[in-house]
Amino acid sequence: DTGVSQNPRHKITKRGQNVTFRCDPISEHNRLYWYRQTLGQGPEFLTYFQNEAQLEKSRLLSDRFSAERPKGSFSTLEIQRTEQGDSAMYLCASSLIRGPRETQYFGPGTRLLVL
Amino acid sequence: SQQGEEDPQALSIQEGENATMNCSYKTSINNLQWYRQNSGRGLVHLILIRSNEREKHSGRLRVTLDTSKKSSSLLITASRAADTASYFCATDKTSGSRLTFGEGTQLTVNP
Repeated sequence: DTGVSQNPRHKITKRGQNVTFRCDPISEHNRLYWYRQTLGQGPEFLTYFQNEAQLEKSRLLSDRFSAERPKGSFSTLEIQRTEQGDSAMYLCASSLIRGPRETQYFGPGTRLLVL
Repeated sequence: SQQGEEDPQALSIQEGENATMNCSYKTSINNLQWYRQNSGRGLVHLILIRSNEREKHSGRLRVTLDTSKKSSSLLITASRAADTASYFCATDKTSGSRLTFGEGTQLTVNP
């Protein structure tokens, strides 16, 4: 399977704990995006990378959130001191710079529940 | 905050009927894309239309874009039960930049 993969698919944690999610993009894709989606809403942008450089961060990405893409391949998203409001689906997408019709391909998501 | 707004929020039709969903946005765009999401799953890309295009087709899908009205519509013809899902429009300001999603239309196709 050459699509975007995310691990874990589900995570249940207690408030105050740290969690880390991983995203493996489509192999030749140089851009990687993170979005968050709450129930009944559309996804909201968090951050994105081009290769290993983090090019943009949303104001939604508080100082408890950090994302990395150390070698320009997979990416991790860490949430420190989780809060119940962090419960959501975390979606990763990747794309290849190819001009004006760049399409983002999404992974299956990681569903986080903070108790 | 979400730029796009889909209309209707929910749509229920019978198999074989056509389904039309609308999307409005607020600022200038580069591309507009439509995605499908089955319950609790990731998003599947359906179709992309550029700001200088007015209509695109892909199989049973037809997308229109009216930049003067800042709106788009997605038509699914001859719907099937398997088309049951949430449909989202998403816009970007430049190619490859962040996508801004609407809140989606929940489509139910009854067999």
